[in-house]
Amino acid sequence: AQSVTQPDIHITVSEGASLELRCNYSYGATPYLFWYVQSPGQGLQLLLKYFSGDTLVQGIKGFEAEFKRSQSSFNLRKPSVHWSDAAEYFCAVAPRDFQKLVFGTGTRLLVSP
Amino acid sequence: EAGVAQSPRYKIIEKRQSVAFWCNPISGHATLYWYQQILGQGPKLLIQFQNNGVVDDSQLPKDRFSAERLKGVDSTLKIQPAKLEDSAVYLCASSLERGTGELFFGEGSRLTVL
Repeated sequence: AQSVTQPDIHITVSEGASLELRCNYSYGATPYLFWYVQSPGQGLQLLLKYFSGDTLVQGIKGFEAEFKRSQSSFNLRKPSVHWSDAAEYFCAVAPRDFQKLVFGTGTRLLVSP
Repeated sequence: EAGVAQSPRYKIIEKRQSVAFWCNPISGHATLYWYQQILGQGPKLLIQFQNNGVVDDSQLPKDRFSAERLKGVDSTLKIQPAKLEDSAVYLCASSLERGTGELFFGEGSRLTVL
């Protein structure tokens, strides 16, 4: 069965520290991969996406993600976290025919001073 | 450019009552989605429209949920009768076309069923 796993429900990071949010997927073939962010009371916003090519993709707000086929992972990273990054982050996948976008359960990021 | 508009933002009803949510997508976006986001879970696709035709409604509980997109623009999601487990945020999203992966989401409509 196709699935997306975000193993960390909550993560707390000090402001200025680096961040890595994990995402693993289970699909028959390499799907399209996405990261979305949801700030409190807001809709989801696309941070970045991977379709093909360079496995390190850059997104908005200083985020990047690396696709690792051998590990079926698409982890999100940021070198220095800002207090405004506190939000919920969702990994999502879609098959190559893009029939459906499936979201993980999300990781809530807390930023401490 | 105006974003995806949804209303109402909040709704509280008792079980067995009915409720309707409205969505106005970004102008020119052909594809419209309704997602259900239960607290602590990721959004789950309920229904997807391409213009005014249904592309995927496999996870829509059709005995109580219905949705329409008249004239390929605005959409309405209805629940009748509501159950306690329908308490969730209902997110509407639109995209210019299928296959781009970039969905633009509204702020959502939070439903509480008592």
